[in-house]
Amino acid sequence: AQSVTQLDSQVPVFEEAPVELRCNYSSSVSVYLFWYVQYPNQGLQLLLKYLSGSTLVESINGFEAEFNKSQTSFHLRKPSVHISDTAEYFCAVSPYSGSARQLTFGSGTQLTVLP
Amino acid sequence: DAGITQSPRYKITETGRQVTLMCHQTWSHSYMFWYRQDLGHGLRLIYYSAAADITDKGEVPDGYVVSRSKTENFPLTLESATRSQTSVYFCASRQGNQETQYFGPGTRLLVL
Repeated sequence: AQSVTQLDSQVPVFEEAPVELRCNYSSSVSVYLFWYVQYPNQGLQLLLKYLSGSTLVESINGFEAEFNKSQTSFHLRKPSVHISDTAEYFCAVSPYSGSARQLTFGSGTQLTVLP
Repeated sequence: DAGITQSPRYKITETGRQVTLMCHQTWSHSYMFWYRQDLGHGLRLIYYSAAADITDKGEVPDGYVVSRSKTENFPLTLESATRSQTSVYFCASRQGNQETQYFGPGTRLLVL
């Protein structure tokens, strides 16, 4: 079984400041790692994912996340946030093996960007 | 439009009533999933389906029933709604050989 912990439920930050959203996971098997973003009253959209290879993965809108196997972490960062980044962010994992490869989600982090 | 759709988007019902939430995808993805989203819990898996006529329980299946007679549809039924089933319900789909799930816009359900 897998579990995901998002350490901060709410993160307020001023526009153009850097931000880090923390995610730690626990699993007895190898996993894929994901960050999803949910804008108000919308469904979840994939932001970025780590499958294999380089431990640093980037999204098209400036977010990046680094897989740290020894610390079982997958923290999300952005060097300069915009008002439009205000949303809820979910970290998730799914196992490599097994046909269903079910996603296990963290409880989410609400990022609020202030002017 | 192509993609994954859910209906209704909003539903108010009363305790004890039967409610069916619909999910439709146009990608012919083999896997489909139902999640509920509650404050402080993130998303929790209710049921999933690997193909037509193949379904299995997730983390929180009690009080829910699913069926999948066609690949593109995956309805979720609350046989006798309870207040604890007030939530936002998301449907998702995934192609069998891929890792990424794609989510619908959600259904907000209020049980009075």
